[in-house]
Amino acid sequence: AQSVSQHNHHVILSEAASLELGCNYSYGGTVNLFWYVQYPGQHLQLLLKYFSGDPLVKGIKGFEAEFIKSKFSFNLRKPSVQWSDTAEYFCAGGSTGGFKTIFGAGTRLFVKA
Amino acid sequence: DTEVTQTPKHLVMGMTNKKSLKCEQHMGHRAMYWYKQKAKKPPELMFVYSYEKLSINESVPSRFSPECPNSSLLNLHLHALQPEDSALYLCASSQPGRDEKLFFGSGTQLSVL
Repeated sequence: AQSVSQHNHHVILSEAASLELGCNYSYGGTVNLFWYVQYPGQHLQLLLKYFSGDPLVKGIKGFEAEFIKSKFSFNLRKPSVQWSDTAEYFCAGGSTGGFKTIFGAGTRLFVKA
Repeated sequence: DTEVTQTPKHLVMGMTNKKSLKCEQHMGHRAMYWYKQKAKKPPELMFVYSYEKLSINESVPSRFSPECPNSSLLNLHLHALQPEDSALYLCASSQPGRDEKLFFGSGTQLSVL
């Protein structure tokens, strides 16, 4: 069955710390992977996406993610977090043309000023 | 215009009421989605319309009835809901094809009494 799992449900960091959020997927065939972010009181928005090509993808606000096919992983990273990165982060996956984007459980990140 | 607009933002209804949630986008997207998100949980897919035809129904109870009157509008008709249906209902849209990133609305926070 298709699934997306996130390892960390709650993460607390100090400003300037480095961030890595884990995501693993279980899909057959061509997979599209995404990271979405939900800031407090705001709607879900796309951080970055991977379809093919360079496995290191860069998104908005200094975020990047690396697709490692052998590990079925798509971890999100940021070298130095800011207080404004406090949000909930969802990893998501879907098959090309399938419309069925499935979300992981989410990781709540709190950045201390 | 890169917005998905949902109305109303908040809705309180009794179990015998009939109400409708509305969603509109003007990005020319031909796929539209309803997701349900309970507090501290990821969005769960309910329905997908592709080119105004229902393409995915994730075994949603019949008290939820989707409708896609045209390529810009998506409705969710509610009837005889249960208190456990209280949740944030999210509309999203995407362009079918390779780049299926989702654009989300802010959601309708529904409370069923």
